[in-house]
Amino acid sequence: SQQGEEDPQALSIQEGENATMNCSYKTSINNLQWYRQNSGRGLVHLILIRSNEREKHSGRLRVTLDTSKKSSSLLITASRAADTASYFCATDSLYGSGNTGKLIFGQGTTLQVKP
Amino acid sequence: DTEVTQTPKHLVMGMTNKKSLKCEQHMGHRAMYWYKQKAKKPPELMFVYSYEKLSINESVPSRFSPECPNSSLLNLHLHALQPEDSALYLCASSQGLAGIAKNIQYFGAGTRLSVL
Repeated sequence: SQQGEEDPQALSIQEGENATMNCSYKTSINNLQWYRQNSGRGLVHLILIRSNEREKHSGRLRVTLDTSKKSSSLLITASRAADTASYFCATDSLYGSGNTGKLIFGQGTTLQVKP
Repeated sequence: DTEVTQTPKHLVMGMTNKKSLKCEQHMGHRAMYWYKQKAKKPPELMFVYSYEKLSINESVPSRFSPECPNSSLLNLHLHALQPEDSALYLCASSQGLAGIAKNIQYFGAGTRLSVL
């Protein structure tokens, strides 16, 4: 079952603008990851944030995590046409499936960056 | 080498056929995964292998049969599939199952399966 909710479901912006995607989850987690998927391709890992971290940066990516609200956001700054893809958050549950490797994916946000 | 290779890229099969999907990684990862993904949906976990042993079967119908011949290879044997099984099948691998960064998953490009 998919526990993550992401919003917006779809986002269309102009090149150079920032894009923000949000993810909410239901159970306590060890860490939260963000993945990108280009159309019809496999997923690519972008960034991992631990449950005891609040913010993490990687290049043009900024991820925040609020465990009290069970939510995370992914900010892509100065977007490029090549950023056009679907973005998924994924969590591993602290309890139950915590040591199984099972990731629970959010529903995803489809980002379109117009040149 | 951070590549997971899946073959074939595309597969069309009838409901009475038997076919296999193949996945290979040479990163020394000890956990491997099969996912099914429908259009505009997130990946759905099907199976997890850890150290070549099946550790999770997400109640997948028996017409899907996974096999892990060695630590680098993962197969998915298909038999008597239904049209609703048409989807993108993704393979992934990770260093292990748990621990920081160990369950970062590396995905193959997928096999696009059409069942007629």
